[in-house]
Amino acid sequence: AQSVAQPEDQVNVAEGNPLTVKCTYSVSGNPYLFWYVQYPNRGLQFLLKYITGDNLVKGSYGFEAEFNKSQTSFHLKKPSALVSDSALYFCAGESNFGNEKLTFGTGTRLTIIP
Amino acid sequence: DGGITQSPKYLFRKEGQNVTLSCEQNLNHDAMYWYRQDPGQGLRLIYYSQIVNDFQKGDIAEGYSVSREKKESFPLTVTSAQKNPTAFYLCASTRAPRYHNEQFFGPGTRLTVL
Repeated sequence: AQSVAQPEDQVNVAEGNPLTVKCTYSVSGNPYLFWYVQYPNRGLQFLLKYITGDNLVKGSYGFEAEFNKSQTSFHLKKPSALVSDSALYFCAGESNFGNEKLTFGTGTRLTIIP
Repeated sequence: DGGITQSPKYLFRKEGQNVTLSCEQNLNHDAMYWYRQDPGQGLRLIYYSQIVNDFQKGDIAEGYSVSREKKESFPLTVTSAQKNPTAFYLCASTRAPRYHNEQFFGPGTRLTVL
């Protein structure tokens, strides 16, 4: 069975510093990987996805993610954090076989400290 | 504006009652999903539908039921058989093919059992 892990429940970063939110995956075949953000009492918003091609994917709000096949990771990054980046972040993945449903990680709460 | 709407935003249920959560989309998406979100557990799939008049159970379907009579609508009924229904419920949709396309989420319904 496929799985997505977010090893950190909480990440704190000072405003203006670079941020990283970690994600590792285990899927059969080649993975399709996604990052979503959730603000309090709201639905999830899509940030970016990796399907194939360039390992560095750029998305909304200045976020990017690096796909690393050897480490089975898809970490979310931003060069300079904003207070408004504070939210709950979810990594999700599925196989290119299309035979399993999208699996979500348990989420990482990112807090940017002014 | 295209998007997904969910109603009501807050819902209170008494023990033994069935309640129905509404989900409507005007994105012309084929696939629709219902997720349950509990703190620290990420999103868990309840039911999904890839086409009108067809739907499949997700990972935690027990105590829930759905229908898909129209492409735009995918209501979820939380029955009295669901022992612990207090949670945040999210509806999502995606265009075909289901895999590798990002899901669009509604704003959610928070259900509380009194």
